[in-house]
Amino acid sequence: QKEVEQNSGPLSVPEGAIASLNCTYSDRGSQSFFWYRQYSGKSPELIMSIYSNGDKEDGRFTAQLNKASQYVSLLIRDSQPSDSATYLCAVNAFPSYNTDKLIFGTGTRLQVFP
Amino acid sequence: SQTIHQWPATLVQPVGSPLSLECTVEGTSNPNLYWYRQAAGRGLQLLFYSVGIGQISSEVPQNLSASRPQDRQFILSSKKLLLSDSGFYLCAWSAGGGGNQPQHFGDGTRLSIL
Repeated sequence: QKEVEQNSGPLSVPEGAIASLNCTYSDRGSQSFFWYRQYSGKSPELIMSIYSNGDKEDGRFTAQLNKASQYVSLLIRDSQPSDSATYLCAVNAFPSYNTDKLIFGTGTRLQVFP
Repeated sequence: SQTIHQWPATLVQPVGSPLSLECTVEGTSNPNLYWYRQAAGRGLQLLFYSVGIGQISSEVPQNLSASRPQDRQFILSSKKLLLSDSGFYLCAWSAGGGGNQPQHFGDGTRLSIL
């Protein structure tokens, strides 16, 4: 059973702090890793993609990937109340046979308080 | 740019009634298409995916079916709805071809069964 594990939270951080969201995955063959943000009652929105070991930065967001440890994380710097949402980690199913199938974690709920 | 449309946004249906949810994608050709269901407070469950016209793969046994009559149209159907079919239904697309593309979601349909 291929799995993606996330702590359900809630993760509470003060405004301006760094929020650190973590995800582990079971399939060593996975090649693509994504972070989605889902506001309550809305659909998931892609915020980061990462394919290689190391860090990838986009604005206040940094994705980190360690394939040896099967670990991917998302850092949100200068957290804002508008960042309060559920963050879904997704990993490509392997082998994918060109389907782009993803395995989603159940998400971590982030709360940023003023 | 690519856009994905889902309708209706909300739907209230009696038990035993039929269902038809439609999803269309604009701005791309031959996308991979997906139907997910998200129960309240739960993760995403992949229901169906399609890599081309008339090609449907089912992920879980259920009383739902899917069809892809045109390249960028994906339809989710049921002949008789059950109470357990309530949830948030999401359509998604990906570019396909490489097996490592992210998925992009529509706004979703919130289905309530009475």
